[in-house]
Amino acid sequence: QVQLVESGGGVVQPGRSLRLSCVASGFTFSSYNMHWVRQAPGKGLEWVAVISYDGRNTYYEDSVKGRFTLSRDNSKNTLYLQMNSLRGEDTAVYYCANQNSGNYYHSGRYYQYAMDVWGQGTTVTVSS
Amino acid sequence: DIQMTQSPSSLSASVGDRVTITCRASQDISIYLAWYQQKPGKVPKLLIYGASTLQSGVPSRFSGSGSGTGFTLTISSLQPEDVGSYYCQKYNSAPWTFGQGTKVEIK
Repeated sequence: QVQLVESGGGVVQPGRSLRLSCVASGFTFSSYNMHWVRQAPGKGLEWVAVISYDGRNTYYEDSVKGRFTLSRDNSKNTLYLQMNSLRGEDTAVYYCANQNSGNYYHSGRYYQYAMDVWGQGTTVTVSS
Repeated sequence: DIQMTQSPSSLSASVGDRVTITCRASQDISIYLAWYQQKPGKVPKLLIYGASTLQSGVPSRFSGSGSGTGFTLTISSLQPEDVGSYYCQKYNSAPWTFGQGTKVEIK
């Protein structure tokens, strides 16, 4: 079955770095764009970043631009999120999620898919 | 960036009630709107994409409608297992912004 397993979370001091990983199984990883979404304690969902299926394109939410870097290794079915210069407001559960990079046909035209399967999440706590 | 505004932020309804949640985009996003359900302590789950296409395995009491800037998620007959938070998300282009969420409880 389709599965995403995140790891790498932990407690880290402000200004330090952490690298999250997300290992995928049960689907063709190299055909899927991959996202990170985070959820601060007691708060809503916040989209963080996306990387295209081939790793060529990345997009980031403004608050993490220049600090977070997405990468992927399609040979290992693994997604990475390098987080530098961490701040207290980065404290959250971090989820990876997949998105079919293809399109579906609806009412006369093609549309891209939404994010679909999510991992269980890994918790990042930034605190001194 | 496009802002997504959900309403209400919370609601309480009886089992069997029809429940409607609204999501509004600050600019036209066509039908690039998804709805997610997050039950307490659980991982978010995709309910609807393309504003109205039900994800496989999702009960038919859930439905979505709208296009452009106005969207609706409807639960035709609220069930106890529907308790949780619901989020809309736009995905026409980055950033893939979520609405602030709607917490659904049973009265």
